[in-house]
Amino acid sequence: EDQVTQSPEALRLQEGESSSLNCSYTVSGLRGLFWYRQDPGKGPEFLFTLYSAGEEKEKERLKATLTKKESFLHITAPKPEDSATYLCAIPNSGYALNFGKGTSLLVTP
Amino acid sequence: DAGVIQSPRHEVTEMGQEVTLRCKPISGHNSLFWYRQTMMRGLELLIYFNNNVPIDDSGMPEDRFSAKMPNASFSTLKIQPSEPRDSAVYFCASSAETEKQYFGPGTRLTVT
Repeated sequence: EDQVTQSPEALRLQEGESSSLNCSYTVSGLRGLFWYRQDPGKGPEFLFTLYSAGEEKEKERLKATLTKKESFLHITAPKPEDSATYLCAIPNSGYALNFGKGTSLLVTP
Repeated sequence: DAGVIQSPRHEVTEMGQEVTLRCKPISGHNSLFWYRQTMMRGLELLIYFNNNVPIDDSGMPEDRFSAKMPNASFSTLKIQPSEPRDSAVYFCASSAETEKQYFGPGTRLTVT
């Protein structure tokens, strides 16, 4: 069965303190790995799609990387506005997604 | 574009009552998804429509849950009868033939 596991469950950083979030997956034939950001009281918002090992995508202070078993979301010099829950997902049936439980990130000033 | 629209945003109901959640996808999107989010189980797919046809309903918990998509611009998720364990945030999402999904703001359901 396809599975997605995220760690840590929660992470607290000081402003400017870089770190990484992990997403481990097991799937027979990866059709992409997706990162979403979810702010409190809102729906998830798309960030990145990665399709093959070695691929990297960047957006502002975020960089996503992919290996054959896991993906990392690196956060460089985070700001308080980066506080959110970060979700990773892999395709399920058709275009549906199987989400991990997320990492709740808090960045303090 | 207004994005995915869901209503109501909050629903409080008593156990045994019927609950209907509504969703209007982004115009031009032909895939629609209903998800449920709880602290314990995270974000779970309930059902997935493509071109108004249900493709995968394996996530629908039981017969108390039903979903319809009568046309390309409207979908409903109905729970009858509702139970306290159905309390969660229900999200609708849509996409245009890709896994990049656009989520609505969600409906927070509380069943007492």
